[in-house]
Amino acid sequence: DAGVIQSPRHEVTEMGQEVTLRCKPISGHNSLFWYRQTMMRGLELLIYFNNNVPIDDSGMPEDRFSAKMPNASFSTLKIQPSEPRDSAVYFCASSLRLAGSETQYFGPGTRLLVL
Amino acid sequence: DAKTTQPPSMDCAEGRAANLPCNHSTISGNEYVYWYRQIHSQGPQYIIHGLKNNETNEMASLIITEDRKSSTLILPHATLRDTAVYYCIVILTDSWGKLQFGAGTQVVVTP
Repeated sequence: DAGVIQSPRHEVTEMGQEVTLRCKPISGHNSLFWYRQTMMRGLELLIYFNNNVPIDDSGMPEDRFSAKMPNASFSTLKIQPSEPRDSAVYFCASSLRLAGSETQYFGPGTRLLVL
Repeated sequence: DAKTTQPPSMDCAEGRAANLPCNHSTISGNEYVYWYRQIHSQGPQYIIHGLKNNETNEMASLIITEDRKSSTLILPHATLRDTAVYYCIVILTDSWGKLQFGAGTQVVVTP
């Protein structure tokens, strides 16, 4: 079974441009998480979904960030407009259900560089 | 969720056991101890988790003290591919699954 799939794996863009990151969770998983990792702040949870519904977006840094999950097999994280400080590795993870006892499986990440 | 304390780094010789400590003195009875690791340039990878009893799987063993205030992750025969940052996380069993990653322990396995 394929793991969590993220695309693109690398993205270089200029400040002010729109960036869209994509994630396909593991089939059958009902919960999806978006994380961001930087040297300064480590791994941070941005937002998570359960059954395609956003549950908690308190980790989203500001209104420039938005996330959607139109169906059980696809989610996007959009940054508009992008800024250099958004440069980071963005990870998507999924789990069978939303519970502390459930293992999260992470994708390979998208490395974003905003110039 | 309870906070955890881990040493920032440790070295281990290839083929030897690596014992990674984690303190979670404020852990409550309904919080799991989870271990993940992150190999350079990859996403975090689940290793093992436990509630009260010691656990073992094909990757590692988890030893939880009787008072549950600390735990040790054991990699029985470390290989160079085990070089990674190891994260100890405690999380409520009935929580929404919000993993809070700390700084972790950078483990370097040397030949």
